Amino acid sequence: NAGVMQNPRHLVRRRGQEARLRCSPMKGHSHVYWYRQLPEEGLKFMVYLQKENIIDESGMPKERFSAEFPKEGPSILRIQQVVRGDSAAYFCASSQSAGQSYNEQFFGPGTRLTVL
Amino acid sequence: AQSVTQLGSHVSVSEGALVLLRCNYSSSVPPYLFWYVQYPNQGLQLLLKYTSAATLVKGINGFEAEFKKSETSFHLTKPSAHMSDAAEYFCAVSDPNTGNQFYFGTGTSLTVIP
Repeated sequence: NAGVMQNPRHLVRRRGQEARLRCSPMKGHSHVYWYRQLPEEGLKFMVYLQKENIIDESGMPKERFSAEFPKEGPSILRIQQVVRGDSAAYFCASSQSAGQSYNEQFFGPGTRLTVL
Repeated sequence: AQSVTQLGSHVSVSEGALVLLRCNYSSSVPPYLFWYVQYPNQGLQLLLKYTSAATLVKGINGFEAEFKKSETSFHLTKPSAHMSDAAEYFCAVSDPNTGNQFYFGTGTSLTVIP
């Protein structure tokens, strides 16, 4: 049973370009979460999605960032017009059940974004 | 609001010595608590979780943690450190009532000295 998959593992972008990060949840999981980890910091929640719905985006920056989880295919975190401050590790997690926060979130290996 | 404080961003222990990583939480309701481990360039792996059952929770790799409501703590311990325990450890809290968001501490980097 494959775990949470993220690609690419490493992404380099120049300022002003777009970054697109992909996450495939574990088989049977329909809940996806995105977190950002800045250097020397813990993970910060960004957004929680279910298939075709954004449930909680309270941690998402208001501009340039968007996320989706379509009916088919992986979840996508999109960062437009990247700036150096966007350089971080972005982790995706998935869980199985709805509305039960004790459910374990399974984490992917992360995408390390570097903005030059 | 939920928050987590991990005292000590870096902890060093000798191989075979006791490991103690501290975690204090702030929560307006009885929380759910988690410890995750992160090895270099990898994702987070769950060590153990507290979900209002037994206050002493046993996890993988010989780790355990005790939920102490009076101290708002959930410290992680292991009786005897192994070289393979060297990693970053994160404590996290979630509110059972408000949804699925996890709040993470800033992490503790554990070094094991041979």
